Amino acid sequence: AQSVTQLGSHVSVSEGALVLLRCNYSSSVPPYLFWYVQYPNQGLQLLLKYTSAATLVKGINGFEAEFKKSETSFHLTKPSAHMSDAAEYFCAVRAAGNKLTFGGGTRVLVKP
Amino acid sequence: DAGVTQSPTHLIKTRGQQVTLRCSPKSGHDTVSWYQQALGQGPQFIFQYYEEEERQRGNFPDRFSGHQFPNYSSELNVNALLLGDSALYLCASGSGVRGLNTEAFFGQGTRLTVV
Repeated sequence: AQSVTQLGSHVSVSEGALVLLRCNYSSSVPPYLFWYVQYPNQGLQLLLKYTSAATLVKGINGFEAEFKKSETSFHLTKPSAHMSDAAEYFCAVRAAGNKLTFGGGTRVLVKP
Repeated sequence: DAGVTQSPTHLIKTRGQQVTLRCSPKSGHDTVSWYQQALGQGPQFIFQYYEEEERQRGNFPDRFSGHQFPNYSSELNVNALLLGDSALYLCASGSGVRGLNTEAFFGQGTRLTVV
């Protein structure tokens, strides 16, 4: 069985500041890990994915995430927040099949 | 290339009624999964269809059922609606049940409100 914990349901950052969203997972098999973004009243858009290649994964819109097996973490970062980054972010793990297990989400507010 | 399309976008139903939601997968995809996202929560896996059969199922009652057609499109049916079924229902498509290197592409969702 797998699970995902996202620390912090809400994060507030200033425009231009670092964005750090935390994700810890548990999985009985080597995981595939994903970060999705959801804008209001929309579906989920893939930001990036880890599939056992490089541990530092670069995604769209300047986001990246680092897989740390020893810490069972897959934190998402962006060096400089933009107003358009205001959204909800979901970390997800996939083990067997295509079933995704999601965390509870982190809502990002960007202050001007 | 059309992505994952879902219909309808919004729906209001009364308790006890039945509802059918529809999903067309992204071109080239043959697997459809359904998720329920309650307000303020992450999506929860309902079930997955591949080759017109249910392959995996999450922790949802039998009131939730589905179907996949030969053209890979899918329906989600919910019987005897409860207020707690109000949520955004998301459809995701992928390639094969063991397509571990392909990410899931999500539709815009159907917002179901049960009154």
